[in-house]
Amino acid sequence: DTAVSQTPKYLVTQMGNDKSIKCEQNLGHDTMYWYKQDSKKFLKIMFSYNNKELIINETVPNRFSPKSPDKAHLNLHINSLELGDSAVYFCASSQGESEKLFFGSGTQLSVL
Amino acid sequence: GEDVEQSLFLSVREGDSSVINCTYTDSSSTYLYWYKQEPGAGLQLLTYIFSNMDMKQDQRLTVLLNKKDKHLSLRIADTQTGDSAIYFCAERGSNYQLIWGAGTKLIIKP
Repeated sequence: DTAVSQTPKYLVTQMGNDKSIKCEQNLGHDTMYWYKQDSKKFLKIMFSYNNKELIINETVPNRFSPKSPDKAHLNLHINSLELGDSAVYFCASSQGESEKLFFGSGTQLSVL
Repeated sequence: GEDVEQSLFLSVREGDSSVINCTYTDSSSTYLYWYKQEPGAGLQLLTYIFSNMDMKQDQRLTVLLNKKDKHLSLRIADTQTGDSAIYFCAERGSNYQLIWGAGTKLIIKP
């Protein structure tokens, strides 16, 4: 059973399109995250949700909008995709904000 | 601001020990972590140490923490080809957020 699963694994799209990445965790955790990893492997937190409420929103363009319908899901919607959005996006979850993170396997987004 | 630094690459021979180093700036860190990322996969927690400990050993892994110098290291004994990965150091800062290093790519030579 996959603990943190995200779909799709690969996403290739044209500039200007709108796309979504879905994430689900079956660990019963109450905190979920979205991270962006660039081509140099730098990892940057984008959003953090605790019990469906936003608690971290780093400097991210407002084209990125997270949506958490329930504690087990945190989806990421991206409007008007740009070349610079190309990266690997990781979903993660934890029990509480101070506990260790469990990561999904990533979504590689390529914007052409 | 808070920062975590680690060298980007480390090359070792198979069977030797690997030592991956990390320095951090937040003296009020509570936990420090090592995560492993294999190619094409997400990060997996490898081990962690509470800030009031100096050392933690788990099979082939030894974590050393020097709080005075704000230095954390991960030693992998008898390095195998399956240890090839990127190793990320992270600290739990005073505001509970994780501060990540840039990752050290461990390269194993036969």
